[in-house]
Amino acid sequence: GAGVSQSPSNKVTEKGKDVELRCDPISGHTALYWYRQRLGQGLEFLIYFQGNSAPDKSGLPSDRFSAERTGESVSTLTIQRTQQEDSAVYLCASSQNMGQRYGGYTFGSGTRLTVV
Amino acid sequence: GQQVMQIPQYQHVQEGEDFTTYCNSSTTLSNIQWYKQRPGGHPVFLIQLVKSGEVKKQKRLTFQFGEAKKNSSLHITATQTTDVGTYFCAGPRGKLIFGQGTELSVKP
Repeated sequence: GAGVSQSPSNKVTEKGKDVELRCDPISGHTALYWYRQRLGQGLEFLIYFQGNSAPDKSGLPSDRFSAERTGESVSTLTIQRTQQEDSAVYLCASSQNMGQRYGGYTFGSGTRLTVV
Repeated sequence: GQQVMQIPQYQHVQEGEDFTTYCNSSTTLSNIQWYKQRPGGHPVFLIQLVKSGEVKKQKRLTFQFGEAKKNSSLHITATQTTDVGTYFCAGPRGKLIFGQGTELSVKP
């Protein structure tokens, strides 16, 4: 597609429920990244994919968080048993490859998650 | 691990004044990138600097990469209300590590 697409744009869920966030990267972008941004804060790295493998999962806050990617396409971030501290905007980005010399990331508009 | 620090956290200026944000890394960077996030929006890539001492300009924006490739700055000349937002620097460590950002507000 023309840009990185994320869905849903907003999600309100009850504490303890599971949620699934979706990211559709730019076609042909092999690298895909998930970040979390709490209100008024910076971007906190969660996980990245090169193709459908995840070389770096170091940012996932707990085992309640998981992500997968099918081929070089859609990725889903799943949060199980949501807690109020999970409330944030979850941003997905993609880039042509992991070689940082080849330009910046393109971010999606994010999913605003609110846990009540 | 690698950290990218940005100062100031906030900057309030009168329209027409200049603005500068500074970025410092604890380690040498192969390159540095800058992003702008408008209020309620998502980060948008502005520029990438690769060479030691590199200076790049985009209209009223001037980006510098330090000689040691551990620091960078973004300077905006004669700010406008359209410059409002948060400016992030980011350095690569496999994935990009983002600074905490500098939030710029411009009073007309």
